[in-house]
Amino acid sequence: KAGVTQTPRYLIKTRGQQVTLSCSPISGHRSVSWYQQTPGQGLQFLFEYFSETQRNKGNFPGRFSGRQFSNSRSEMNVSTLELGDSALYLCASSLEGGTYEQYFGPGTRLTVT
Amino acid sequence: DQQVKQNSPSLSVQEGRISILNCDYTNSMFDYFLWYKKYPAEGPTFLISISSIKDKNEDGRFTVFLNKSAKHLSLHIVPSQPGDSAVYFCAAGGNNAGGTSYGKLTFGQGTILTVHP
Repeated sequence: KAGVTQTPRYLIKTRGQQVTLSCSPISGHRSVSWYQQTPGQGLQFLFEYFSETQRNKGNFPGRFSGRQFSNSRSEMNVSTLELGDSALYLCASSLEGGTYEQYFGPGTRLTVT
Repeated sequence: DQQVKQNSPSLSVQEGRISILNCDYTNSMFDYFLWYKKYPAEGPTFLISISSIKDKNEDGRFTVFLNKSAKHLSLHIVPSQPGDSAVYFCAAGGNNAGGTSYGKLTFGQGTILTVHP
């Protein structure tokens, strides 16, 4: 089975722009979660989607949004980028809504200049 | 407010010896705990987990211990191998504010494990 895939792997954007990141979960997995990893804050939960609905949300501003499609693929969008948004964005999928075990993709490294 | 803490930023161990990685949590609503390993330029890889109804779970060289009264868990790796050198994250999940949060994990800051040959 293929693992979680994320595209693109690397991205450089300018402050004020917006960006869309994509995540394809493991086949059969219906829950997709997004995390931001920075050196200072570690891994922080952004949001989780299950069956095309946002089920949980972390403490991030409204500039961070996401969605999930009927095939469980997910996208996250960051608008009006700030320098502090530079981070590794990780997507994780899990089999169903009733398990805590998540399987991570390789991440998208976003650099905001 | 860090609900999951890994107080040791790094740990250095000789090959063949035991590695013990520690994690503390403050939120008593957490009822499931996981350990992940992360290599540079890769996503975290799931290692082992434990439910709050257990106090120990083993999988090969990896054993996780949970002490609920102390809100403390540890990961033991025996014997340690150079390939185990990575960053180890402890994570917790559980019902929050009465809801079910299966898709939300709270992570510690990570511990860099170095196993010397």
